[in-house]
Amino acid sequence: AQSVTQLGSHVSVSEGALVLLRCNYSSSVPPYLFWYVQYPNQGLQLLLKYTSAATLVKGINGFEAEFKKSETSFHLTKPSAHMSDAAEYFCAVSPGGSYIPTFGRGTSLIVHP
Amino acid sequence: DTEVTQTPKHLVMGMTNKKSLKCEQHMGHRAMYWYKQKAKKPPELMFVYSYEKLSINESVPSRFSPECPNSSLLNLHLHALQPEDSALYLCASSLQGVGVNTEAFFGQGTRLTVV
Repeated sequence: AQSVTQLGSHVSVSEGALVLLRCNYSSSVPPYLFWYVQYPNQGLQLLLKYTSAATLVKGINGFEAEFKKSETSFHLTKPSAHMSDAAEYFCAVSPGGSYIPTFGRGTSLIVHP
Repeated sequence: DTEVTQTPKHLVMGMTNKKSLKCEQHMGHRAMYWYKQKAKKPPELMFVYSYEKLSINESVPSRFSPECPNSSLLNLHLHALQPEDSALYLCASSLQGVGVNTEAFFGQGTRLTVV
């Protein structure tokens, strides 16, 4: 069985500060990992994905994530937060790239001016 | 075209009403999904269609009835809903099978309120 754990239901940063959202996964087979963003009353938008190629993955809006097998982690980072980054972020895993993702509980990113 | 289109965006219905949610994609995806999302929670999988056939039903009550008329369309028929069914209903699609391009694409959702 596969699962993801997102540490921290809320993360608060100042505008211009580093954003770090944590995700740890559990999978019995090599996982495909995803980060999605959801703005209020909207659907989910794919930020980036890891599919066993490069371990450092760059996504949209300046976000990136690093796959660390030894730590079973796939943390999402952005060097400088912008007010428009305030949203809910979901980490998701699918085992071996099979098409049904399992979502973490989500982390709400709050950005202060 | 990388969009999944859901209609309507908002729906208010009484507990005795019958209504339908619609979802459409033209990306050639053969897997389509319905998710239910409550506030501040992750999406919960309801149904999966694979090549227009229902492949997964996550023990969803029969008052929710999915339908996949063709490879581009997915409907969710609603009847005799309860107030606790109020939620954001998300449709998604993806390529069928295993591979590097199998991420799910989501629609904007239908905000359903049952009164």
